[in-house]
Amino acid sequence: GAGVSQSPSNKVTEKGKDVELRCDPISGHTALYWYRQSLGQGLEFLIYFQGNSAPDKSGLPSDRFSAERTGGSVSTLTIQRTQQEDSAVYLCASSPRTGMGYEQYFGPGTRLTVT
Amino acid sequence: AQSVAQPEDQVNVAEGNPLTVKCTYSVSGNPYLFWYVQYPNRGLQFLLKYITGDNLVKGSYGFEAEFNKSQTSFHLKKPSALVSDSALYFCAVRHNTDKLIFGTGTRLQVFP
Repeated sequence: GAGVSQSPSNKVTEKGKDVELRCDPISGHTALYWYRQSLGQGLEFLIYFQGNSAPDKSGLPSDRFSAERTGGSVSTLTIQRTQQEDSAVYLCASSPRTGMGYEQYFGPGTRLTVT
Repeated sequence: AQSVAQPEDQVNVAEGNPLTVKCTYSVSGNPYLFWYVQYPNRGLQFLLKYITGDNLVKGSYGFEAEFNKSQTSFHLKKPSALVSDSALYFCAVRHNTDKLIFGTGTRLQVFP
């Protein structure tokens, strides 16, 4: 079946602009996660959703970052007033449900470059 | 706080030889442990997990990992390496949280 998809695959933006990154989870998966992968910081958790609610937003690095999920499916990660330190690969993952025993299935990522 | 350590940035091994990629963890209770692999320009792929039960866990592509509670380790192993195993490997832990805490990654290079 179809895996997790993310769009765009690459995004180059100017410092100060807003960007939106999209994630389509595996059909039927109720849990959705956002992570960021960068050279200096490794793989960092950002936020996760159970359905449309976000029980844990602890990884969002600043109030410029926000995410939403509608209809229990597609999620959008928005970065406002982008900075160069936001350059990274943003990974989305989904899981059948929350719970520590479930593995997460990752999408290919969106590579964000802020110039 | 939970943490995962992958002490080796890179592991080099000849094709056909056994390989080990090391991982140690730090949690206050029973951990849930995972290994993921990342090929160039690709997302992370799940390899295997330890939840409970048998300490030796078998996963995809012939990989296995051994959970050792006394040494707080979860090393990834394969009896005979392939050139196609060359990739970036991440160990991750979960405990009382739904998010994955990742190690810094180990690059495995298998030489023909």
